[in-house]
Amino acid sequence: AQTVTQSQPEMSVQEAETVTLSCTYDTSENNYYLFWYKQPPSRQMILVIRQEAYKQQNATENRFSVNFQKAAKSFSLKISDSQLGDTAMYFCAFMKGLNYGGSQGNLIFGKGTKLSVKP
Amino acid sequence: DAGVTQSPTHLIKTRGQHVTLRCSPISGHKSVSWYQQVLGQGPQFIFQYYEKEERGRGNFPDRFSARQFPNYSSELNVNALLLGDSALYLCASSLKFGWYADGPYNEQFFGPGTRLTVL
Repeated sequence: AQTVTQSQPEMSVQEAETVTLSCTYDTSENNYYLFWYKQPPSRQMILVIRQEAYKQQNATENRFSVNFQKAAKSFSLKISDSQLGDTAMYFCAFMKGLNYGGSQGNLIFGKGTKLSVKP
Repeated sequence: DAGVTQSPTHLIKTRGQHVTLRCSPISGHKSVSWYQQVLGQGPQFIFQYYEKEERGRGNFPDRFSARQFPNYSSELNVNALLLGDSALYLCASSLKFGWYADGPYNEQFFGPGTRLTVL
């Protein structure tokens, strides 16, 4: 069974600074997908960034980037130039892929990291 | 375009009662998944439906059931409610499932959730 571990229950960062959230996962699969989701206090879960395991290049989306270390089973999220609107719970999630492409569909989440951005 | 919608927003029930939660996916999305998020935890997968068939089930008791309708909307039913069923229930939709769910096709878009309180 796959597991996702987020070892930082809470973190804080000053506005405009950079913060890195950690995530490790355990799987015996070779094909899978990794995601970071953001859940603001209003609770709607929003996708921040995704990474396909078969891609060696780390994904980036504007101020958000990941450090994907497949051998170490590590998938950290870096937020640059932090903004007050980044305050939220951040969840790392795993999706199992299928051997010949595609995916199984259900997400396995970590327990989350509560990020507070301070002015 | 409208996002994933869920109803009701909040619900209060007593132990032993039955509850039905509803979800409408994004137009064109054929897969719907249900997750339970207990306070302070990451979401846990309950069910996934695609083309009106159950495609995945998480580790939940038989008191939990679901179905998907021809218009791809979905219902989650919980019988004989327990105090421990109190949680935020999230619905997510995605375009595809299985072999065709690669790249952006497996991205899950979440609704705002239904907050269920069992007294």
